[in-house]
Amino acid sequence: DQQVKQNSPSLSVQEGRISILNCDYTNSMFDYFLWYKKYPAEGPTFLISISSIKDKNEDGRFTVFLNKSAKHLSLHIVPSQPGDSAVYFCAASARIGANNLFFGTGTRLTVIP
Amino acid sequence: GAGVSQSPSNKVTEKGKDVELRCDPISGHTALYWYRQSLGQGLEFLIYFQGNSAPDKSGLPSDRFSAERTGGSVSTLTIQRTQQEDSAVYLCASSRRGAGGGETQYFGPGTRLLVL
Repeated sequence: DQQVKQNSPSLSVQEGRISILNCDYTNSMFDYFLWYKKYPAEGPTFLISISSIKDKNEDGRFTVFLNKSAKHLSLHIVPSQPGDSAVYFCAASARIGANNLFFGTGTRLTVIP
Repeated sequence: GAGVSQSPSNKVTEKGKDVELRCDPISGHTALYWYRQSLGQGLEFLIYFQGNSAPDKSGLPSDRFSAERTGGSVSTLTIQRTQQEDSAVYLCASSRRGAGGGETQYFGPGTRLLVL
């Protein structure tokens, strides 16, 4: 049972425009959410996180939004750059219970120059 | 180095053989995790270590899979009698405390295992 879902397997965006990657979750116990970026033949690299006590966290060109009532989070990248082309994974964890991260299946972002 | 390292980076083996995968976590991180990513899938949790003990082995897919951690540092994941469905990228991650979640996990580059 997939508790974290990324329903868009791929996304293409023009350089300079905004990229919006979406993620939905089903477990209401999740209270910490992360985005990882993965290049081919490399491990996932931590990008940005958000705790459930916030609804927005910003770091440079990257902003994560959390809508707890909808069990939805999104990653905004603006402006998008060709170097952002990678697979982006959404992940979630709960402070109580399991220590592991639950991952979505990833969205492949292609930024077109 | 400062990051999580894994070896080997690639491993090709024949069905039925045993394999050992190694992970060196970030120095000082007490929590260590193993995940695997099969083709076209997300990351699947295998096992979690807090120090040398493994309080959560719930993700290990069968009794052919085992893992240990010594000295609160290096961990090895062993797959006995490998099967073709074990082919995947095996990823190791570490975090500072691992207590109750809510922490960022840092990943190694992975070991790509191919079972022929």
